Amino acid sequence: DGGITQSPKYLFRKEGQNVTLSCEQNLNHDAMYWYRQDPGQGLRLIYYSQIVNDFQKGDIAEGYSVSREKKESFPLTVTSAQKNPTAFYLCASSIPNAGSNYGYTFGSGTRLTVV
Amino acid sequence: SQKIEQNSEALNIQEGKTATLTCNYTNYSPAYLQWYRQDPGRGPVFLLLIRENEKEKRKERLKVTFDTTLKQSLFHITASQPADSATYLCALDRGSTLGRLYFGRGTQLTVWP
Repeated sequence: DGGITQSPKYLFRKEGQNVTLSCEQNLNHDAMYWYRQDPGQGLRLIYYSQIVNDFQKGDIAEGYSVSREKKESFPLTVTSAQKNPTAFYLCASSIPNAGSNYGYTFGSGTRLTVV
Repeated sequence: SQKIEQNSEALNIQEGKTATLTCNYTNYSPAYLQWYRQDPGRGPVFLLLIRENEKEKRKERLKVTFDTTLKQSLFHITASQPADSATYLCALDRGSTLGRLYFGRGTQLTVWP
């Protein structure tokens, strides 16, 4: 079955360390997204990509970086410049542009904790 | 910037009743409005999408309405069950080629027996 796989499910980061969250999809979707979710807040967009080798900053991109070398993969790196990285990170994919009836497909998330 | 408000953080109803959740938005008018269900520790799951030229859409026990004059969407779950307990998220798509969604904070629904 098609879907999105995020790994790891739980991740612990030490102060000053960079960590990379994995996101892989086999839905053949062109668009992929990274959101951050904090308690009591809506999902906030970090980065998104419409096609391979192209991506755009979302609303809270500072301290994060991404790459899109393959259609199936959109890894997110949380750098040491991100001062408050503890959160639940969600990856999603979609068929972009008007007309889709299917919305986003989300992964099961990665919970990142700074120790 | 786009602002989306969902009426309350929590809604508690009795099994068998109809749950009604509200999503209000300001600024730009969306081309599409979507509703998602999210269970604790899981990613959101897409439920329904309604277009700006549609007044109502149904799927099994779910019904969504879209009033562009009031800038509001209502999400109804009829004959609610304890298994419907979850957080429900409203999301807007402005219809640009970018395809990005703006999410509300969600309403936590609890259905008690």
